[in-house]
Amino acid sequence: DQQVKQNSPSLSVQEGRISILNCDYTNSMFDYFLWYKKYPAEGPTFLISISSIKDKNEDGRFTVFLNKSAKHLSLHIVPSQPGDSAVYFCAASGPYDYKLSFGAGTTVTVRA
Amino acid sequence: NAGVTQTPKFRILKIGQSMTLQCAQDMNHNYMYWYRQDPGMGLKLIYYSVGAGITDKGEVPNGYNVSRSTTEDFPLRLELAAPSQTSVYFCASSYSGTGGYNEQFFGPGTRLTVL
Repeated sequence: DQQVKQNSPSLSVQEGRISILNCDYTNSMFDYFLWYKKYPAEGPTFLISISSIKDKNEDGRFTVFLNKSAKHLSLHIVPSQPGDSAVYFCAASGPYDYKLSFGAGTTVTVRA
Repeated sequence: NAGVTQTPKFRILKIGQSMTLQCAQDMNHNYMYWYRQDPGMGLKLIYYSVGAGITDKGEVPNGYNVSRSTTEDFPLRLELAAPSQTSVYFCASSYSGTGGYNEQFFGPGTRLTVL
């Protein structure tokens, strides 16, 4: 039973434009959400996170938005750069959870 | 500071063989985790440890065993390899384990094929 879903397996965007990645979750106990980025043959690396007490968190070109009522979050990358081409995983956790629940990932390709 | 290291990077096993995937971290993290990632799927937790001598099962522990004798090392043991264990295995660590509030640092992964 997948509690975190990324329904778009892939996304292609032109360099300089906005990339929007979506993530939905089903567990209402989740209170912390993270995005990880993964290049081929490497492990995931932490990108940005958001607590359920916020609806937006920004870090440079990356912004995460959280809509608790819709159980939906999104990651915006503006402007997209070739180095952003990677797989992006959405993850979520509840209070006192030791584990992260991951989505299946979205592969982003930034075209020159 | 090497972070989280994993060996080997690649391995092919025959059905029924055994092997140990090694994981080490030099960040003095208390919490360590083993995940597997199957094609088109997210990462699923196999086992985790909250400190030396303490381990617990994750979502998909069957067919695996772990031990944690030191803070630095967290090996994953496959006793009787099966084709269903073909996957990429990631080890991760974090300073604390309370939900996602503490960022997990991942190793580069071990790609295992069981034939």
